[in-house]
Amino acid sequence: EVQLVESGGDLVQFGGSLRLSCAASGFAFSRYEMNWVRQAPEKGLEWVSHISSSGNSIYYADSGKGRFTISRDNAKNSLYLQMNSLRDEDTAVYYCARAAAGTVYWFDSWGQGTLVTVSS
Amino acid sequence: FMLTQPHSVSESPGKTVIISCTGISGSIATNYVQWYQQRPGSAPTTVIYEDNRRPSGVPDRFSGSIDHSSNSASLIISGLKTEDEADYYCQSLDSSNDWVFGGGTKLTVL
Repeated sequence: EVQLVESGGDLVQFGGSLRLSCAASGFAFSRYEMNWVRQAPEKGLEWVSHISSSGNSIYYADSGKGRFTISRDNAKNSLYLQMNSLRDEDTAVYYCARAAAGTVYWFDSWGQGTLVTVSS
Repeated sequence: FMLTQPHSVSESPGKTVIISCTGISGSIATNYVQWYQQRPGSAPTTVIYEDNRRPSGVPDRFSGSIDHSSNSASLIISGLKTEDEADYYCQSLDSSNDWVFGGGTKLTVL
C-alpha cells in the first residue's frame, strides 16, 4: 500500500523558517516524480513545487521561488521542503503528492498533510 | 492559463450532476485534465485522469469529458449518493507546464 506521511508542520513566526518532510513507503520511491501541494484554510489547492525522480529537475510556483527549496533523499525514501522567509499567506496544509507512474502531470497519491501556521 | 469552476452545485440523491471547469487564456485541450475529490477533513483523491479515465476503485458513476467549443472540461456524476458530497477540483498544466488547479466546486447532495 502506498503511504505518504508528512511531518514538520508547526506554528512559526513571520520571516521564520521550517522544513517539511514526507516519508514514503509501499512503492519504489526513487522511480517517481514528487510534488508539494498546499491548501490555505477554507481555500483551494495550490501546487507549490515539483522534483524529478533523480532530483535533477526542479520547479517552483511563483509564490515560493527564491524562498522554498524542494529536495529528496532516495536512499531514505523521503521528500523535503525547506521554507524560508515565511509569510502570512504561506499558512496552509502542505500535502506531499506523487506523480502518476510514467507521467508528471497528475497526482495519484497524496499524504494526509501537515499544517503550517505563520504568525505575525 | 487558469481554470475556473462554479463555487457550488447541489442535486438530489439518484440524480446526475455536471461540474464544469473552463479554461481561461488558453485551450483546455492542450493538456490533460484531471479531477480530484476532497471530502471534509481528508486529502484529495483522484476520480478522473487524462480527461476521462478512472483510476481503479472509482465507480463508473464518475465520468469526464472535454468540450472544445466551450473550452471546458466536465465531471459528470450519475446516480448521486450522499457519500459523493465533497469538494471537487479540476487540474491541468498551464502554458509554462506548471500545475494549475481550478478553484474547486462544493457539491451538496440533498
